[in-house]
Amino acid sequence: DAGVIQSPRHEVTEMGQEVTLRCKPISGHDYLFWYRQTMMRGLELLIYFNNNVPIDDSGMPEDRFSAKMPNASFSTLKIQPSEPRDSAVYFCASSSFEKLFFGSGTQLSVL
Amino acid sequence: GNSVTQMEGPVTLSEEAFLTINCTYTATGYPSLFWYVQYPGEGLQLLLKATKADDKGSNKGFEATYRKETTSFHLEKGSVQVSDSAVYFCALLGSSNTGKLIFGQGTTLQVKP
Repeated sequence: DAGVIQSPRHEVTEMGQEVTLRCKPISGHDYLFWYRQTMMRGLELLIYFNNNVPIDDSGMPEDRFSAKMPNASFSTLKIQPSEPRDSAVYFCASSSFEKLFFGSGTQLSVL
Repeated sequence: GNSVTQMEGPVTLSEEAFLTINCTYTATGYPSLFWYVQYPGEGLQLLLKATKADDKGSNKGFEATYRKETTSFHLEKGSVQVSDSAVYFCALLGSSNTGKLIFGQGTTLQVKP
């Protein structure tokens, strides 16, 4: 298996623009997680899904953030409108039987 | 609620030195415990795990023992290498198994030649 695949690897955008991050989990995994990592706050869980259903979105910082999982093989994290403080590395991870696998992350820079 | 506390970094060691990174946890019941490692520019990857008291997880020369009496899961390695330089995260999965791992804040390890 290719592992958890995220795209794009890097995203540079201007304040106010919409940003969409994409994730393909490992086939057969029933959990999917979105994390954000910054120097100031460390690793933060934003939202996670079980069998495509959102379970806990309490970590989503504001209404500007939304996440969807339309099927077992695809998820998106959208920020609209983006702000400079959203600059971070965003990780997607999937798991099954307690083993969590991370993607390589999307480095987002909002200018 | 469940929580994980790690020693603050950065930890700076010379090659071949002994490593300990402390991790303690708070949880009800019998959680599973994990160490993840993050190399520069990459996502986290599982290093080792232990699922019950007194279990020892080990991988790549790293070890950690699940100590329920002290609620600890300290990471150790007898002789570190420059290639071990990374950020190490302790994590737990609660016994209710919601699927959600609770991570510590991470400890940066720098190994100098």
